[in-house]
Amino acid sequence: GENVEQHPSTLSVQEGDSAVIKCTYSDSASNYFPWYKQELGKRPQLIIDIRSNVGEKKDQRIAVTLNKTAKHFSLHITETQPEDSAVYFCAASRANAGKSTFGDGTTLTVKP
Amino acid sequence: SAVISQKPSRDICQRGTSLTIQCQVDSQVTMMFWYRQQPGQSLTLIATANQGSEATYESGFVIDKFPISRPNLTFSTLTVSNMSPEDSSIYLCSGKQGGDTEAFFGQGTRLTVV
Repeated sequence: GENVEQHPSTLSVQEGDSAVIKCTYSDSASNYFPWYKQELGKRPQLIIDIRSNVGEKKDQRIAVTLNKTAKHFSLHITETQPEDSAVYFCAASRANAGKSTFGDGTTLTVKP
Repeated sequence: SAVISQKPSRDICQRGTSLTIQCQVDSQVTMMFWYRQQPGQSLTLIATANQGSEATYESGFVIDKFPISRPNLTFSTLTVSNMSPEDSSIYLCSGKQGGDTEAFFGQGTRLTVV
């Protein structure tokens, strides 16, 4: 089955700096790669996603890049703010198999 | 995306008893899943809830311990049976419209077994 590895497990940055979180996946048939943000005591919520026919996607301060050949994808947050502090999960899934495999999560702390 | 209402939000249960968690979606969804999440850890898939048929369980999870129902496209239940303190965790239901679409989650059930 699919295996998703996520790094780093913790990340601390100063407000205004950039943060990068990386994930690798094992199943070459995976074609959907979402990123979820989970604040303490809350449910995970989608912040951005990318499909395998696209190499990069951007939404304001957040961007995701995908390298299908190397089977890795990354989340980039620019101009970080204290409210970006949360746990971020990457995931991978296939169109013909609904379940998502999640990475272990990255705890991002943005220091004011 | 659809909205999932999950209940109860938390419960404290005696060992040996069972708890049923319910999830109601505000619109029909193709797929529903049940996850377990230990505090500070990732989401572990328990099973895929199949509408009108038996759930598909992941390795390490069995129907006798975690019976699941999904009578229609908007509702599912997970029962945690014969509970022990090791079952203390957060349980989350999730829905998706397709394999390559966003997963949305219920608010979670924080279960403590004493």
